[in-house]
Amino acid sequence: DAKTTQPNSMESNEEEPVHLPCNHSTISGTDYIHWYRQLPSQGPEYVIHGLTSNVNNRMASLAIAEDRKSSTLILHRATLRDAAVYYCILDQTGANNLFFGTGTRLTVIP
Amino acid sequence: NAGVTQTPKFQVLKTGQSMTLQCAQDMNHEYMSWYRQDPGMGLRLIHYSVGAGITDQGEVPNGYNVSRSTTEDFPLRLLSAAPSQTSVYFCASSYGNPAGNEQFFGPGTRLTVL
Repeated sequence: DAKTTQPNSMESNEEEPVHLPCNHSTISGTDYIHWYRQLPSQGPEYVIHGLTSNVNNRMASLAIAEDRKSSTLILHRATLRDAAVYYCILDQTGANNLFFGTGTRLTVIP
Repeated sequence: NAGVTQTPKFQVLKTGQSMTLQCAQDMNHEYMSWYRQDPGMGLRLIHYSVGAGITDQGEVPNGYNVSRSTTEDFPLRLLSAAPSQTSVYFCASSYGNPAGNEQFFGPGTRLTVL
């Protein structure tokens, strides 16, 4: 499995931006980078995904390094509802599924 | 749309019992998957299906069976429950291969095997 490395936990103050890092030095040229999050006692929820260019949607932005060996999920204004475990996942060409690691637990401080 | 639904929400079994976890989706998705999540861990893939009549094993398939007779339903059967199968089980679906498409997850079934 292609590996990703994320910090175990991070904290952010409410209404401030949050930058969640992910390292994926073994990424291959056709692997997409996916981010999911899991709120307490819920199933995972899709956040965003991208290949090479930075991506924006209503939930977040994804900044991908030029060499694609790392990426950053950006929550522009953290709210208490953003407290969750965030998973950075590489899909692999030819794979039929995603492989989840242990993610980053984000705590949002009021 | 109800999305992905799972029943039951909670289940307690005794060692050796069998049961079926139900999963249904109303989005006409071809891909469906079953994951388990143990405390403090990420999700691990049990079985998946790329369409009706087609199933395949994931990372941790032992002790589980699946079938996919319709596009909508993807039940997971525990043949003879063991305490090591105590976990939270999530079903997921996607329009195409999850490696490139948004995957939708159900709310989970919390299973305890005594």
